[in-house]
Amino acid sequence: GAGVSQSPSNKVTEKGKDVELRCDPISGHTALYWYRQSLGQGLEFLIYFQGNSAPDKSGLPSDRFSAERTGGSVSTLTIQRTQQEDSAVYLCASRRERAPLFFGPGTRLTVL
Amino acid sequence: EDKVVQSPLSLVVHEGDTVTLNCSYEVTNFRSLLWYKQEKKAPTFLFMLTSSGIEKKSGRLSSILDKKELFSILNITATQTGDSAVYLCDLYNNNDMRFGAGTRLTVKP
Repeated sequence: GAGVSQSPSNKVTEKGKDVELRCDPISGHTALYWYRQSLGQGLEFLIYFQGNSAPDKSGLPSDRFSAERTGGSVSTLTIQRTQQEDSAVYLCASRRERAPLFFGPGTRLTVL
Repeated sequence: EDKVVQSPLSLVVHEGDTVTLNCSYEVTNFRSLLWYKQEKKAPTFLFMLTSSGIEKKSGRLSSILDKKELFSILNITATQTGDSAVYLCDLYNNNDMRFGAGTRLTVKP
């Protein structure tokens, strides 16, 4: 497609369940980023992937969070044993080298 | 650790006013500074600034970078209600892209 896509757009889950969020970056974009945004807050960096290099996981808030990027394209962010404080909009973005980020529409996660 | 500070955190103006948003930073290595506008959902790109002192302009919006004093400003002239958004400053440091907290601009009719 022409832009970054994310699925699902909305996810409601119960506390303690695992969730998977998917991101399809723009074709040819080598870098992929995950951010989290709580209501009324700024963008919190989570993780980024650059080509075949080891990902920068320095923003992941706990070991319940993990992400992978298969074949240098699609990425999945997994949150295990979700907690209510995990509720937020999860944004994925991709870019070519030294170029601006293009963001997906986000996944709104609600943990009950 | 690199730090990006935006000010003010929020701003309320009336249509037709001119606003100046500030982004200051502390860096060790530095490539580019980018501005984004976030309305309801995902941020959209506005400007990418790499060189100091060169103004970038797009319609009523303009931005400039001062690498000596370590800040950038985003100006919006003749504001309209459609300019209401959160404006994000992003520091591109090698592969790292970390955002400031943003300035929430509200333009009242």
